[in-house]
Amino acid sequence: DAMVIQNPRYQVTQFGKPVTLSCSQTLNHNVMYWYQQKSSQAPKLLFHYYDKDFNNEADTPDNFQSRRPNTSFCFLDIRSPGLGDAAMYLCATSRGGTGMNEKLFFGSGTQLSVL
Amino acid sequence: DQQVKQNSPSLSVQEGRISILNCDYTNSMFDYFLWYKKYPAEGPTFLISISSIKDKNEDGRFTVFLNKSAKHLSLHIVPSQPGDSAVYFCAASTTSGTYKYIFGTGTRLKVLA
Repeated sequence: DAMVIQNPRYQVTQFGKPVTLSCSQTLNHNVMYWYQQKSSQAPKLLFHYYDKDFNNEADTPDNFQSRRPNTSFCFLDIRSPGLGDAAMYLCATSRGGTGMNEKLFFGSGTQLSVL
Repeated sequence: DQQVKQNSPSLSVQEGRISILNCDYTNSMFDYFLWYKKYPAEGPTFLISISSIKDKNEDGRFTVFLNKSAKHLSLHIVPSQPGDSAVYFCAASTTSGTYKYIFGTGTRLKVLA
């Protein structure tokens, strides 16, 4: 089945130690997104790629970076994780059309813990 | 600034009864709305959507209503089943090509058998 796959499901890192989360998709979608979700909060959009065009949200900290080397893969790099970065990180994709039938397809998420 | 709000963090409903989940938005540019369902340890999955040219969309037991003047939408689940117990997120977007989806904080629905 076509899907969005996130690895790993759980990631533990140390305060200040760089960490990379990965996402792959078999849907051949144009747009890939990274959301951060903390407990009982709304998933917060960090950035998205339309193909290779990177779109950063204004309030996304500089500590968060992303790479999309090809259509299938997208990475989230946290350069110096702080305790406040512990969260669920959700990758999603969409076709990138502007019609009314667009929707996001999510991976299962990576739960990041910072010690 | 929370552009999409779900003011009820939780809701309990008896099996077989109607569940009504509410969502409010502030940005009048939003013209497309979606509901997602999330089970623990899984990513959100798409449930149903509605565009601003409609005021109602139905899919089986799920109906979404949109009141544009009030900037309010609601998801009705009839009849509710124990398997519907999950967190439900409302999301909003525009069809103007930003490709961004803004989510609410979610409502945890518990359907009691």
